Amino acid sequence: AQRVTQPEKLLSVFKGAPVELKCNYSYSGSPELFWYVQYSRQRLQLLLRHISRESIKGFTADLNKGETSFHLKKPFAQEEDSAMYYCALMLSDGNKLVFGAGTILRVKS
Amino acid sequence: GAGVSQSPSNKVTEKGKDVELRCDPISGHTALYWYRQRLGQGLEFLIYFQGNSAPDKSGLPSDRFSAERTGESVSTLTIQRTQQEDSAVYLCASSISRNLYGYTFGSGTRLTVV
Repeated sequence: AQRVTQPEKLLSVFKGAPVELKCNYSYSGSPELFWYVQYSRQRLQLLLRHISRESIKGFTADLNKGETSFHLKKPFAQEEDSAMYYCALMLSDGNKLVFGAGTILRVKS
Repeated sequence: GAGVSQSPSNKVTEKGKDVELRCDPISGHTALYWYRQRLGQGLEFLIYFQGNSAPDKSGLPSDRFSAERTGESVSTLTIQRTQQEDSAVYLCASSISRNLYGYTFGSGTRLTVV
């Protein structure tokens, strides 16, 4: 069955430190993966998609099919990165997203 | 409208009462989704509408939950005989069909059953 696992509920780092939010997936089809972010008192919004190979707000994520992972990385964390981050897998029907449980990122000054 | 609109933003109801939650998707978005977000947990898929096709109801947790959508417009999620475990934030999202750009989410309805 399809599943998205985010093993860390909370990740706390100091400003300027590197960040890696882990995401692993289980899916027999061809995966399309996303990262969503929810800042305090704001709605959930798309951060980046693996198909576009983009860097948004300094974040990147590489799909590793061998390790079935899609970890989110940023070399130097900033306080404004503090938020809840969700990894999501789109099923091959191109419709339903399966979300992980989310990781709270806290960046301390 | 410019975004996905949900109402009410907050709802407190007594156990056993029925509630109705509303979602206005982005104009032109053929797909509409309902998710539930319990405190400290991830997003739980409830139901998905795509145009005039039969909805995917596979995530509805019980027969107390139902949802409707007329065409490509407003959707309502109804919870009958609410229970305390129904307390959560109910999120609506919409997207274009076969969407590789992800969803656009509403700000949610926070439901508290007392």
